[in-house]
Amino acid sequence: SYELTQPPSVSVSPGQTARITCSGDALPKKYAYWYQQKSGQAPVLVIYEDSKRPSGIPERFSGSSSGTMATLTISGAQVEDEADYYCYSTDSSGNQWVFGGGTKLTVL
Amino acid sequence: EVQLVESGGGLVQPGGSLRLSCAASGFTFSSYWMSWVRQAPGKGLEWVANIKQDGSEKYYVDSVKGRFTISRDNAKNSLYLQMNSLRAEDTAVYYCARGAGPIDYWGQGTLVTVSS
Repeated sequence: SYELTQPPSVSVSPGQTARITCSGDALPKKYAYWYQQKSGQAPVLVIYEDSKRPSGIPERFSGSSSGTMATLTISGAQVEDEADYYCYSTDSSGNQWVFGGGTKLTVL
Repeated sequence: EVQLVESGGGLVQPGGSLRLSCAASGFTFSSYWMSWVRQAPGKGLEWVANIKQDGSEKYYVDSVKGRFTISRDNAKNSLYLQMNSLRAEDTAVYYCARGAGPIDYWGQGTLVTVSS
């Protein structure tokens, strides 16, 4: 079955840039989506179609994709950005969707 | 305002069945793919299934194929997940979600516990 691989954790100081990667064989041809989940809450979409930002998401959140890797970048991370982040995409068939294992972002 | 409200969760014994429901409002339900996503306690998100606008296409994660059935009633703005032959590893919060790629709105989830 298809898998998306993320690092388990990323840690930065406030104001620094956090980068969270997601690797998958189908990413050259399939979009990546990114979700933020804070403790006890439902996930929130922060990036769609590799690099687009939904309305209401701060500009410090950006996304990119190259080859088999997608990247979520938080420029000038803030304490309130501490959360679990998940990438989401589909396999080459377009019918089987999968989340990455999640990355815990610590900002302190 | 988009709202997705799940119901039907609870405690069930291994091998048992449960039917989850999701009441949708605030958007044209019949225009969207819909999905179920689950999250086991302390674990990550797992896509479970999705269904096309008219119900003509349905897809499942391998681990639930043959046991779970996703369905919808566009007249009632409702999404369902029939879960049979439940296992301990199905214990999770189950989220109803709008869309397939992307999922742009989520409910607050309903907890399903499979235990004897």
